Amino acid sequence: QVQLVESGGDVVKPGGSLRLSCAGSGFLFSDYYMSWIRQAPGEGLEWVSYINGTGSFTSYADSVKGRFTISRDNAKNSLYLEMNSLTAEDTAVYYCARGVPGGHYFQYWGQGTLVTVSA
Amino acid sequence: DIVMTQSPDSLTVSLGERATFNCKSSQNLLYRSNNKEYLAWYQQKPGQPPRLLIYWASTRDSGVPDRFSGSGSGTDFTLTIDNLQAEDVAVYYCHQYFNTPYTFGQGTKLEIK
Repeated sequence: QVQLVESGGDVVKPGGSLRLSCAGSGFLFSDYYMSWIRQAPGEGLEWVSYINGTGSFTSYADSVKGRFTISRDNAKNSLYLEMNSLTAEDTAVYYCARGVPGGHYFQYWGQGTLVTVSA
Repeated sequence: DIVMTQSPDSLTVSLGERATFNCKSSQNLLYRSNNKEYLAWYQQKPGQPPRLLIYWASTRDSGVPDRFSGSGSGTDFTLTIDNLQAEDVAVYYCHQYFNTPYTFGQGTKLEIK
């Protein structure tokens, strides 16, 4: 069965950096667009970024553009999110999610990893 | 950016009754080349990730009970839950994937009366 497992969440100081990982299994990882979606405490869902199957195309929300970088290693069935210049507004649970060919709705989600930006 | 607005913000319904959730987009979500509406619905229970319920506005995902149905087109969409069960208590989100940035509605919280 499809599984997505995030890791890397931590407490980090404002201005700091963090790298999140997402390990996929149960499907051919390279065939699928992958996204990061975040949810601030008690708030709704915010799409952050996506990457295509080969890693040749990426897209970002304006709120993270220039600070976050999405990447993938298909040989390791892994998705990454490099986060720099973190602020308190980046505090959230970060989910990785798998899309489907031809439609970027999110069919499978990981359990999420918590990033807390605090002095 | 496409703005997704859900109503109401919260909903209280009796067991066995019908719950209706509304979602309005600021732009048409119909892609004319394939005649598909780029709208999905998710259910999120406390402490859990969201679960996909409906995609292409009206297609139920695998394993979703047929009590859940989606409808609508263009800019106005509806999620309906018939014969409400206690396990349906959750927050429900609509989501447009017509173009980036992909956006979600603010959510509707469903409670049992």
